Amino acid sequence: DAGITQSPRYKITETGRQVTLMCHQTWSHSYMFWYRQDLGHGLRLIYYSAAADITDKGEVPDGYVVSRSKTENFPLTLESATRSQTSVYFCASSMTQNNEQFFGPGTRLTVL
Amino acid sequence: GESVGLHLPTLSVQEGDNSIINCAYSNSASDYFIWYKQESGKGPQFIIDIRSNMDKRQGQRVTVLLNKTVKHLSLQIAATQPGDSAVYFCAESVHGGATNKLIFGTGTLLAVQP
Repeated sequence: DAGITQSPRYKITETGRQVTLMCHQTWSHSYMFWYRQDLGHGLRLIYYSAAADITDKGEVPDGYVVSRSKTENFPLTLESATRSQTSVYFCASSMTQNNEQFFGPGTRLTVL
Repeated sequence: GESVGLHLPTLSVQEGDNSIINCAYSNSASDYFIWYKQESGKGPQFIIDIRSNMDKRQGQRVTVLLNKTVKHLSLQIAATQPGDSAVYFCAESVHGGATNKLIFGTGTLLAVQP
């Protein structure tokens, strides 16, 4: 199906484990973003990418790593998960930097 | 720092009434604003946007008003329906670093009473 997808939709892991959240879009959008959503904080930007092989930090990048070897994929890795990283993670994409962002369905991550 | 906030965290309206959700932004240089709707368990969904060279923009049953003088944004929903029940976020596009970024407010819950 066309659009933006995320996998897995739900993940439970343990402290210290490495976890990778996947994001895939079929629009060939240049820009992709990762957000986390927590009660009382709204959506906070973790990392973003302006194009393949170009990534930059957002508001809350600590503890996360991203890569963008292909335009359509933008995986987010938690190298050593902590309980504070329990959250709902949203991936988004946009055609340009000043256009609407389209969001995926989210991944609910629980770190025990 | 930059921030976008909402005046009312929860808004309860009767079905058929008009709804108005308000948002204040702090960066006078922001030139693009978006309203998103988020239903439970789903990602945010684009509703309507407006650029700073406009004061008003209308969509289907929705209108966004921008008052740059007082840095205020509002979303008006006409004839509110039960399907409009959701959390609504405003976001402003802030230029910083190599690209513009969206700064989101914390959201307003719209509850439509039948």
